[in-house]
Formats: sequence, structure tokens, C-alpha cells
Amino acid sequence: QSVLTQPPSASGTPGQRVTISCSGSSSNIGRNSVNWYQQLPGTAPKLLIYSNNQRPSGVPDRFSGSKSGTSASLAISGLQSEDEAEYYCATWDDSLNGPVFGGGTKLTVL
Amino acid sequence: EVQLVESGGGLVQPGGSLRLSCVASRFTFSKYSMNWVRQAPGKGLEWVSYISKSSSTIYYADSVKGRFTISRDNAQNSLYLQMNSLRVEDTAVYYCARDVGGVGATFWDYWGQGTLVTVAS
Repeated sequence: QSVLTQPPSASGTPGQRVTISCSGSSSNIGRNSVNWYQQLPGTAPKLLIYSNNQRPSGVPDRFSGSKSGTSASLAISGLQSEDEAEYYCATWDDSLNGPVFGGGTKLTVL
Repeated sequence: EVQLVESGGGLVQPGGSLRLSCVASRFTFSKYSMNWVRQAPGKGLEWVSYISKSSSTIYYADSVKGRFTISRDNAQNSLYLQMNSLRVEDTAVYYCARDVGGVGATFWDYWGQGTLVTVAS
């Protein structure tokens, strides 16, 4: 069981907007910023969103992040087939004194 | 572009040891903290260990504490993970990742391609 809770799967059709949730607690998301990683099949994870809502250079603005209380969300607008991947949220946990991940959400583009 | 290349993975028996290496290039290695993150086959990501720029601060996940040792050699632009008393559940792809943000706000902006460690008899 992961410290952060994500839905195991999500789906959408090309052009749609999808959101992926990430639920935590006061010791992690409630106190620290959230980051999101995208892992395409067979590849290493890639930083997608950092500090709740910041995009690294090169990440399309179709990807956005938000945080409220002990939950965070990743939104993908204008869904494309190449967005089909596993998405992970992550943050620091003050109780565990280390980074923690969500279990991952597999996004399928129908 | 930043490059991280892991090596040292392989097949080892339960109770055995293995040393992973990660060679960094195209950035000033000594200016960044580093991490090891692993992924068991078909499973999610799990943080393993963190080491600060000067090696003065080190953290481990509870699952590996007392068995794994992280270290670095800034002169050689290299990060290491010494893994002892390996268990079947340590089977995973091990990634090294460059740390940005620091303790409490850490995130990883570059990752290596990973090296597979298989613990089996």
C-alpha cells in the first residue's frame, strides 16, 4: 500500500480533459509540495510537474497541477495518444522523513 | 544534456551483495544531491536513499535501512549503492535520480535508464 492514494486507472478520448487525483495526509501533502512524474512504457520516469503546479522546460502547457489541503490533482487537457502512460504523484513525508509516492495511475487514451 | 548511467545490476542469490554505480555527466555533479529510486517488476516507484552534495546528510527508506549504503565520489562524478543481505523483495529496476529542491521539497529532474537487480536462488 502506497502512502499516497491514486486511482489505478483513468481514460479519455483524444482531445478530452482528464484529471488524476492524489490523496495524502497532513504529514505529507498537507505540509509539502507535490510533484508528478510520467512514465512511458519501458522508460524511466520523467518529471512532469514540480512544486504543485510548475512545469519544467519542455513540458506542454496541456499538463497542469494543483493542490488543496491534503489532496493534489494532475490535469491533462487536449488529450493525445502519446499521453498514454503511468502517472505518479510524490511528495515529502515529515513523519517518515523521506519522499513518498502514489501507487500510480495508468492513463489509457481510447 | 544531463546524463546518468547506472550499472552493476544482475542476478544475485538471497543474502548476497551487489554494488550499483551511477556515472553522471554534462552537469556539475558536486552541486547536486542524489537519490536511488527503485521499481519492482510491474509495480510502482519506491524511493530508496538520498545523499546530499557533500555526503553530510543521508537518508534511507525503512525497507533498506541497515542493509544498503549510499555513497558518492564527487571527483569521479559517481554515485553508489552498496546492497547487502539482499532479499527477493529487493528485485527491481534501480534508478539514480538528480535531486532538486532539497530535503522536504525534493523532486528529481533527471533520471538514469535504470539497472535491473534480480534476487533469486
